[in-house]
Amino acid sequence: QTVVTQEPSFSVSPGGTVTLTCGLSSGSVSTNYYPSWYQQTPGQAPRTLIYSTSTRSSGVPDRFSGSILGNKAALTITGAQADDESDYYCVLYMGSGIWVFGGGTRLTVL
Amino acid sequence: EVQLVESGGGLIQPGGSLGLSCAASGFTVSNNYMSWVRQAPGKGLEWVSFIYSDGGTYYADSVKGRFTISRDNSKNTLYLQMNSLRAEDTAVYYCARNWNYAFYWGQGALVTVSS
Repeated sequence: QTVVTQEPSFSVSPGGTVTLTCGLSSGSVSTNYYPSWYQQTPGQAPRTLIYSTSTRSSGVPDRFSGSILGNKAALTITGAQADDESDYYCVLYMGSGIWVFGGGTRLTVL
Repeated sequence: EVQLVESGGGLIQPGGSLGLSCAASGFTVSNNYMSWVRQAPGKGLEWVSFIYSDGGTYYADSVKGRFTISRDNSKNTLYLQMNSLRAEDTAVYYCARNWNYAFYWGQGALVTVSS
């Protein structure tokens, strides 16, 4: 059973930089998993931020960036703003039509 | 403009069946990869099912044998037929277009399984 791991919670100061990660319970995340990232606020559908590791979706500000850091996928928010306070999810493509979401990270901006 | 609109959610008793629809506009469902993703109350996102443009279908273990994904090309609509529903299937169900290995979302439909 593949588990995709994310930090349950994180906090950042306004204007600060934060890096959220997305790992595997066994093994390393690479670009071959096509990691993507989503932002969700309560009661709303997720918003697509990053796909294929590091490509920003249309309209996403460039203070959101994606990468591979070590053995994990990473989402970095530079210059955090109050309205970045949200839940963030990553998802990995396992191949053969199978996807696995991480448990999500609740980001607090304070 | 690309848009996905889910419908068909509601309250259903355990063991019952329910079908969800997802009407697409701005693109052709049959030429795209499509998914269903759900979110139980207060919980994270869970991938449920996926359909390739060639019609191949895949399911999470939690729904395999109970749920069926399909599409109607003439209506440009994606479906999820859910049978033998359980309390743990209670969730908001999102339809999504998979483009460039990303998910692009509808607004969701709430399914509540309760007696």
